[in-house]
Amino acid sequence: DIVMTQTPLSSPVTLGQPASISCRSSQSLARSDGNTYLSWLHQRPGQPPRLLIYKTSDRFSGVPDRFSGSGAGTDFTLTISRVEAEDVGVYYCMQGAQFPFTFGQGTKVEIK
Amino acid sequence: QVQLVESGGRVVQPGGSLRLSCAVSGFSVSSFGMHWVRQAPGKGLEWVACLRFDERIQHYVDSVQGRFTVSRDNYNNILYLQMDSLRVEDTAIYYCVKGPSGGYFDYWGQGTLVTVSS
Repeated sequence: DIVMTQTPLSSPVTLGQPASISCRSSQSLARSDGNTYLSWLHQRPGQPPRLLIYKTSDRFSGVPDRFSGSGAGTDFTLTISRVEAEDVGVYYCMQGAQFPFTFGQGTKVEIK
Repeated sequence: QVQLVESGGRVVQPGGSLRLSCAVSGFSVSSFGMHWVRQAPGKGLEWVACLRFDERIQHYVDSVQGRFTVSRDNYNNILYLQMDSLRVEDTAIYYCVKGPSGGYFDYWGQGTLVTVSS
């Protein structure tokens, strides 16, 4: 199985400042169709996760443009350009390149 | 408008069975891969099972292989998860999730809680 490792696991951030989360996979997530199946999800307390970024860098419908994804192969990053109060919660990376799909441990983002 | 509404979660004894349902609106379950993802209390996310759109291929995480079965009712647009031989470690919120062909999940239900306890 592909192991997904996120850093940091906790991230105190300042409103209006940038924040980033890293995700590393134990194998390359690039597939023969030319896509790299790494996605990012955000979960607020008591809510289901919601998709932010898919295929490494594509922003899902309705997601603010302060969220961006980057990376290739086994190393990926989610960046929030200017953190807003509604961005608190837990962020997960997920690989969909190979079954079983697997998630990172989650990174808890909170306001300082 | 896409909606996924899970039901069927409850308290069940170890070794028991349960069937979860996911009523879908806004798209056809027969046109997309559909998945179940679970989250144990206070823990992270774990992918559980997938039913491909062509229904010929199913995938399961090793820990549920042989005990859980995913199926669907195309006419009523419902996804199911039959859970047999339940274990304490199966306790979790179970989410029904839509998966476009590209290995990611774009819409999630609100989840249904399954508690396995004596």
